[in-house]
Amino acid sequence: GQQLNQSPQSMFIQEGEDVSMNCTSSSIFNTWLWYKQEPGEGPVLLIALYKAGELTSNGRLTAQFGITRKDSFLNISASIPSDVGIYFCAAYNQGGKLIFGQGTELSVKP
Amino acid sequence: KAGVTQTPRYLIKTRGQQVTLSCSPISGHRSVSWYQQTPGQGLQFLFEYFSETQRNKGNFPGRFSGRQFSNSRSEMNVSTLELGDSALYLCASRGPWRTEAFFGQGTRLTVV
Repeated sequence: GQQLNQSPQSMFIQEGEDVSMNCTSSSIFNTWLWYKQEPGEGPVLLIALYKAGELTSNGRLTAQFGITRKDSFLNISASIPSDVGIYFCAAYNQGGKLIFGQGTELSVKP
Repeated sequence: KAGVTQTPRYLIKTRGQQVTLSCSPISGHRSVSWYQQTPGQGLQFLFEYFSETQRNKGNFPGRFSGRQFSNSRSEMNVSTLELGDSALYLCASRGPWRTEAFFGQGTRLTVV
């Protein structure tokens, strides 16, 4: 079935560093969504991407919809301690179900 | 605008019991989806309701069921609970013709 492969699984970085994570698949998608989840909470939508090649920013976050429509990238610039959490990519499969990557767990050392 | 509200936040049930979880979507959103999140399997789609009709279903046994009311509120029921049903159950709503799904805080179900 359609799967989203997210990497890296975890990252330990110093405050102030930039972060990059990505999501790839063998399938084509029409929409990519990026979420952040903190412990005990539901995922919060960060960025939505609708068009191949699209680059969208939300504060220090920037996400791109891959030109092949099979991948997406999320970058966080100048990380701060409150960026800690698990970041998920998500996309709708052919059946209309929202599927998720395995998540990237981000730890930021002050 | 109020977000997606899930109740209760926490539940402890015994094996064999049944449980009902509730979700109130964002006002104006008619699509409600349910997900199960576990450390081993990640976030998995359970089902989606739109205008009181199940529009999509994931690969879960028939013990998992849901419904949606005319005010778009949704409930999810799990019967004959098993230890493996312990998870965070998340509900998300979508607006008309939109793809962005907004999640509630989830219900943490523990089966003992």
